[in-house]
Amino acid sequence: AQSVTQLGSHVSVSEGALVLLRCNYSSSVPPYLFWYVQYPNQGLQLLLKYTSAATLVKGINGFEAEFKKSETSFHLTKPSAHMSDAAEYFCAVSQNSGGSNYKLTFGKGTLLTVNP
Amino acid sequence: DAGVIQSPRHEVTEMGQEVTLRCKPISGHDYLFWYRQTMMRGLELLIYFNNNVPIDDSGMPEDRFSAKMPNASFSTLKIQPSEPRDSAVYFCASSPDRGEQYFGPGTRLTVT
Repeated sequence: AQSVTQLGSHVSVSEGALVLLRCNYSSSVPPYLFWYVQYPNQGLQLLLKYTSAATLVKGINGFEAEFKKSETSFHLTKPSAHMSDAAEYFCAVSQNSGGSNYKLTFGKGTLLTVNP
Repeated sequence: DAGVIQSPRHEVTEMGQEVTLRCKPISGHDYLFWYRQTMMRGLELLIYFNNNVPIDDSGMPEDRFSAKMPNASFSTLKIQPSEPRDSAVYFCASSPDRGEQYFGPGTRLTVT
């Protein structure tokens, strides 16, 4: 079984401030972890993914996430927020079983607001 | 590649009518997923296919919902008869074999 918890359904930051979106997961086997972003009236877009290589993963638009097994966390960060980062962000987990694809389990999402 | 293509983008129908949503996955992707997104329930997986074969349909709400994938480049999600509680955004996604999924733009369904 697998699950994802995103702490904070809504995060508000000022432009230029640090962005930190929290994600904790539960998985009975080594996981694959993902962050997706959804802009209004659009589909989900992959930001970055962890697949058991480097624990610090860099994604698009300056975002990065660190896999911490001891904390079962995969928090998303960006050093300096931009107005265009305003969107909803979803953390997701799937099972890493030697390369086979499994369904993703998504968190409930965190809405990021960026204030000028 | 054009990405995952969904049609129509918007659908408004009356209760009791049949609704068919369509999806063209990214060429070469072996997995196809149908999701439903609502404010109340978030993102829910309805069904997914591997090589055109349904693998897990445990998320399909009830018998009114059915999905098919007649070939590697086309899938449909049908609701018959539709009800107001089916109003949602329906996403199709496709995936190669490494976990990440690529989402289409979605179909916004409104049932009145």
